[in-house]
Amino acid sequence: DTEVTQTPKHLVMGMTNKKSLKCEQHMGHRAMYWYKQKAKKPPELMFVYSYEKLSINESVPSRFSPECPNSSLLNLHLHALQPEDSALYLCASSQDKDYYEQYFGPGTRLTVT
Amino acid sequence: AQTVTQSQPEMSVQEAETVTLSCTYDTSESDYYLFWYKQPPSRQMILVIRQEAYKQQNATENRFSVNFQKAAKSFSLKISDSQLGDAAMYFCAYRSSTTSGTYKYIFGTGTRLKVLA
Repeated sequence: DTEVTQTPKHLVMGMTNKKSLKCEQHMGHRAMYWYKQKAKKPPELMFVYSYEKLSINESVPSRFSPECPNSSLLNLHLHALQPEDSALYLCASSQDKDYYEQYFGPGTRLTVT
Repeated sequence: AQTVTQSQPEMSVQEAETVTLSCTYDTSESDYYLFWYKQPPSRQMILVIRQEAYKQQNATENRFSVNFQKAAKSFSLKISDSQLGDAAMYFCAYRSSTTSGTYKYIFGTGTRLKVLA
């Protein structure tokens, strides 16, 4: 199974809401990633988890809060977002942080109203 | 800082023909990885091909091959015998070496490839 799943596919939330994005993989990968992709732009790395610990935070605002409850699951908690945070949020995983190939999920399309 | 540049926002190719997508990058590192990813309209990004900077031989994966020119910092993707399923956004990406001390995974702005029947 070489699949990374993400839920929900679409999410609309107000600026005062709290919501979470979920990512799951069952490939035994020990590194997981969150990317943000604006329309017609490349993905931008947000966070890297390695062996369930936050390894890299690319200066992401605190209104985005990642969580890795176990090696298969990665969450992104959202609170007090701004309309400019509307984007496609992609999750990816790899064997470990040093391994080159990342497997991407289909993404969650987030709209902040 | 490392940068990745794709100067072709959009390309078209006739089915069964060959097309080359361009990518240039800038880095002061000597060891790194380069990738081409494909993102079809369904959005799920998949790895097409990779190249390790220390390898002189150009990588090949079936109909996909690269022309890696390290000195010129150029990394182009050639797609032979283009198929309708090749239509997608193609991203060139750079990853720093695991020994560099910093972790960088940088994508170019993408080239949208249209395949004409």
